[in-house]
Amino acid sequence: NAGVTQTPKFRVLKTGQSMTLLCAQDMNHEYMYWYRQDPGMGLRLIHYSVGEGTTAKGEVPDGYNVSRLKKQNFLLGLESAAPSQTSVYFCASRTGAEAFFGQGTRLTVV
Amino acid sequence: GENVEQHPSTLSVQEGDSAVIKCTYSDSASNYFPWYKQELGKRPQLIIDIRSNVGEKKDQRIAVTLNKTAKHFSLHITETQPEDSAVYFCAAQSGYSTLTFGKGTMLLVSP
Repeated sequence: NAGVTQTPKFRVLKTGQSMTLLCAQDMNHEYMYWYRQDPGMGLRLIHYSVGEGTTAKGEVPDGYNVSRLKKQNFLLGLESAAPSQTSVYFCASRTGAEAFFGQGTRLTVV
Repeated sequence: GENVEQHPSTLSVQEGDSAVIKCTYSDSASNYFPWYKQELGKRPQLIIDIRSNVGEKKDQRIAVTLNKTAKHFSLHITETQPEDSAVYFCAAQSGYSTLTFGKGTMLLVSP
């Protein structure tokens, strides 16, 4: 039982490049989330999904897109990366109360 | 939307002392309040949670209290140990599915 797995763990992008972060969960959870974590800012919600085929905007959605084509996967896309998107990204999933987090992706945009 | 304020941002204690972290929330409809611990370089993990129909919950050395009228909740850690050193996040759930987190408290426990 792997839980929540994020790919990749680290990435360096140049300004303007695009990339996709993958989150996979094997717990059959309905809800999935993408957060970004910046020093002193806590965990801020980017986008979330309440089920396969659904997505919704969170607190800081600008510059990101998401898709949930399969229940177990939640993809986060950056179409044109900016230095302000340098952050640690966490995916999480839940059905009941507890949210389970992935190990994080450290993204640096230069 | 929900807004969660967390204090203090850093907290230093001596081993064996107690530590208290406080959070306030804005949405009176929020009904679920978890606390997460994040060790350096690791993912956040749930340590304790409380629902709005309960005033206090305890699990060994940690406890959480909730005051719905004042819209604040607190984490209490007794007999702190060096391995309690981490960043602690409070959160509140409003609506059906989203968790709003506080900015975190870095707890340092000195031997």
